[in-house]
This record gives sequence, C-alpha cells and structure tokens, in this order.
Amino acid sequence: QVQLQESGPGLVKPSQTLSLTCTVSGGSISSGDYYWSWIRQHPGKGLEWVGYIDYSVSTNYNPSLKSRLSISVDTSENQFSLKLSSVTAADTAVYYCARVSSSGYYNWFDPWGQGTLVTVSS
Amino acid sequence: DIQMTQSPSSLSASVGDRVTITCRASQSISSYLNWYQQKPGKAPNLLIYAASSLQSGVPSRFSGSASGTDFTLTISCLQPEDFATYYCQQSYSTPYTFGQGTKVEIK
Repeated sequence: QVQLQESGPGLVKPSQTLSLTCTVSGGSISSGDYYWSWIRQHPGKGLEWVGYIDYSVSTNYNPSLKSRLSISVDTSENQFSLKLSSVTAADTAVYYCARVSSSGYYNWFDPWGQGTLVTVSS
Repeated sequence: DIQMTQSPSSLSASVGDRVTITCRASQSISSYLNWYQQKPGKAPNLLIYAASSLQSGVPSRFSGSASGTDFTLTISCLQPEDFATYYCQQSYSTPYTFGQGTKVEIK
C-alpha cells in the first residue's frame, strides 16, 4: 500500500523559498503509471491544486503559481519536491502531496500525505 | 479556469438521514468529477471518481451521479463517522479545481 509523507520547515520568512519533500513508500515513483502532485489548503479554507510531475520530469503547474514554482523528482530517493520562491503570508497553508491515479482519461488524487503546515512569517 | 460551485456550503442532518450535496461546473466537464471527504486535521480521502465510481473500501451508502454540468454526492443513510467536509474536484483540465466545500454537521 502506497504511503506519502511530507517533510520540510514549518516556518519560512517572507521573500524566501519554501521547500518541501514528499517521500513515497510502498511503491516506486518511477513506475510511470502515475503523476505526483502537490495541493495546498489555506487555514480554514478550501483546496488549491499546486502542480504535478511525472517520473520523466514532465511538469504541469497551476498558472497562478507558475512563475514562482518548481517541482522535481528524485527517483533514487523515491521522493518528489516542491520549491516556491518569494513567499508571502498568502502562501501560509497546509501543503499536501498526493498521487494522481488514473483510469483511461480519468484521474484523481489518491492517496494523500498527512499534510504539513507551512507558516510564512518573520 | 473551470469554476466548481458546491451547494449548500453547510447543512445540519441527523444520523440515518439521506443527504445530498450538489456541485456545478462552470462548463462541460463530462464525467471528470471526483468527490473527497475531509475530517478536521486530516487529509482529504477519495470517495468517488469519474462522477459515479465508488473508490475501493468506501461504504456503499456513498454514491455519485451526474446530469450535464451538475453533479451530486448522496449519502443514503448518514452515519456518525460521516460528519465531515466534502469537496468536489474537476479533472477535465488543468488547473484542477475544487469546490469550496460542504460541511455536514450534526443536527
């Protein structure tokens, strides 16, 4: 059973870069059958898709974040990572990593990591 | 971006009630619609994918349906563990977008 776990600093200063890693266990990130995604949730708010990557490092980013966002994959460590630059308080959120599963052209997020709260504050 | 609008934003219901949550897409998304359940402090959990397919392990009291750009999540007989927030999400095109959520509370 595939499990995902986020890790990274819980506090980032404004204008700095937010960096998070998602470690995948119970399956290989290189299998080619899935995309690997980040989703965030502002405190008390709804969900926002951030972007995804596949094992071949093809990426797809939310245009609202694209200029500041980078998602990468490390197949040797079975991890994928998010970097968001020039952060502001508006980037304070719980960040989830999730696998994008699919059947034909249909896809969905499952499973999810437990989430990690990142606060942007000086 | 495709806008997803859920209604109601919240509802109060009793154990055993039949509950219906609606999600409307701003354009046609065929059946590219998923439903998730989120409990406080937890990650969302997939319930329904492709509008009406029940995720493995999810109780059969959950069901999904579609009519045009309107999608419905139905809980046939509400159980205590079903009190949570429910989100729809379109996977028709990126950026993937979610509804604002429907909180199901105990009456």
